[in-house]
Amino acid sequence: NAGVMQNPRHLVRRRGQEARLRCSPMKGHSHVYWYRQLPEEGLKFMVYLQKENIIDESGMPKERFSAEFPKEGPSILRIQQVVRGDSAAYFCASSRTSGETQYFGPGTRLLVL
Amino acid sequence: QQPVQSPQAVILREGEDAVINCSSSKALYSVHWYRQKHGEAPVFLMILLKGGEQKGHDKISASFNEKKQQSSLYLTASQLSYSGTYFCGTYGQNFVFGPGTRLSVLP
Repeated sequence: NAGVMQNPRHLVRRRGQEARLRCSPMKGHSHVYWYRQLPEEGLKFMVYLQKENIIDESGMPKERFSAEFPKEGPSILRIQQVVRGDSAAYFCASSRTSGETQYFGPGTRLLVL
Repeated sequence: QQPVQSPQAVILREGEDAVINCSSSKALYSVHWYRQKHGEAPVFLMILLKGGEQKGHDKISASFNEKKQQSSLYLTASQLSYSGTYFCGTYGQNFVFGPGTRLSVLP
């Protein structure tokens, strides 16, 4: 049973470009969570999604960031016009239902030059 | 509002016990505990959903005091593999992680 998959594992972008981060949840999981972790800092909740719905996006910056979890395919975290401050590790986690164990993917390390 | 964790860091010898506390100024509906090793993804340890609930597996357990708006993680007879940063996450009005407690277990 494959775990949570994220790709790419590393992503380098220049300022102003777009970054697309993908997350495939574990089989049978319909809940996805995105977190951001700055170097040497803690985890920051960004957004919680179910299939085709955003449940809680209170941790997501209001501009340039968006997330989706379509009926088919992976969840996507999209960052438009990236800035140096967006450099971080982005983790997604999935669970079968709300409140159950969250399993984390390996993360995507984004570096903005 | 971010929950508060204490201590910020702790150093143990193998076999010693540790307690990590997590408290919030807001009402809590659930508390989640995670461990993260350097350069790796966080690993979910447990979730506590009800006030007064206690959970545990192996030698790691946790309690949740809803009235006091706090949770504690107990690590007994610590092993080298327990080293890492422990985060609590709380779901009050929204979901936030604490700043983390760095635990180092020495041989």
